[in-house]
Amino acid sequence: DILMTQSPSSLSASVGDRVTITCRAGQSISSHLSWYQQKPGKAPNLLIYAASSLQSGVPSRFSGSGSGTDFTLTISTLQPEDFATYYCQQSYTTPTFGGGTKVDIK
Amino acid sequence: QLQLQESGPGLVKPSETLSLSCTVSGASIRSSTYSWGWIRQPPGKGLEWVGTLSHSGSTYYNSSLKSRVTISLHTSKNQFSLTLSSVTAADTAVYYCARRWNYYETSGFETHFFDSWGQGTLVTVSS
Repeated sequence: DILMTQSPSSLSASVGDRVTITCRAGQSISSHLSWYQQKPGKAPNLLIYAASSLQSGVPSRFSGSGSGTDFTLTISTLQPEDFATYYCQQSYTTPTFGGGTKVDIK
Repeated sequence: QLQLQESGPGLVKPSETLSLSCTVSGASIRSSTYSWGWIRQPPGKGLEWVGTLSHSGSTYYNSSLKSRVTISLHTSKNQFSLTLSSVTAADTAVYYCARRWNYYETSGFETHFFDSWGQGTLVTVSS
């Protein structure tokens, strides 16, 4: 199984901040990477697929980049509704998820 | 509008079998554009893929669960199901069913991801 490592595991930020979350794969996964947002008590919600494609209906302040082993999710201007936990997931082989990054209010 | 809804017992005894169903509305589970999957999340922890079922009935399972898990298609009901045998407390989790989009680009790039999820159902393993 491919190990997916996210950093940081948590961060504190303010509304309006630019936030960057990193995901590293244990081997090259090309662009087979997705990002999900999960709020407490809710199912995950797809934000980004194929490393950089924005899912329909997701605000443009979310963006993804990277290929190979290193990937980034960026929130350009953090909004109150963005406080949540974010997961990356690879689909190069049988799916594995990163451990998550919790974004909370500073 | 696509909806997925999990159903099944919320409490299962150790060593017994966990059985869940996912009812899909707004899409046909026989579409080749999609596959169908189960993902679970132990309380307070991260996400773990359990397995995936294609429209044709082919299955792929998490290697750590492979000997205990079965995912099946029930086309007449537009449902798919999960059974997990010989459960222990470590199987306590919220279980999500999800649609996997089999995505293709004209460039030839193919990938997949879970684009729609059920609300999840908590299954507790306890005597």
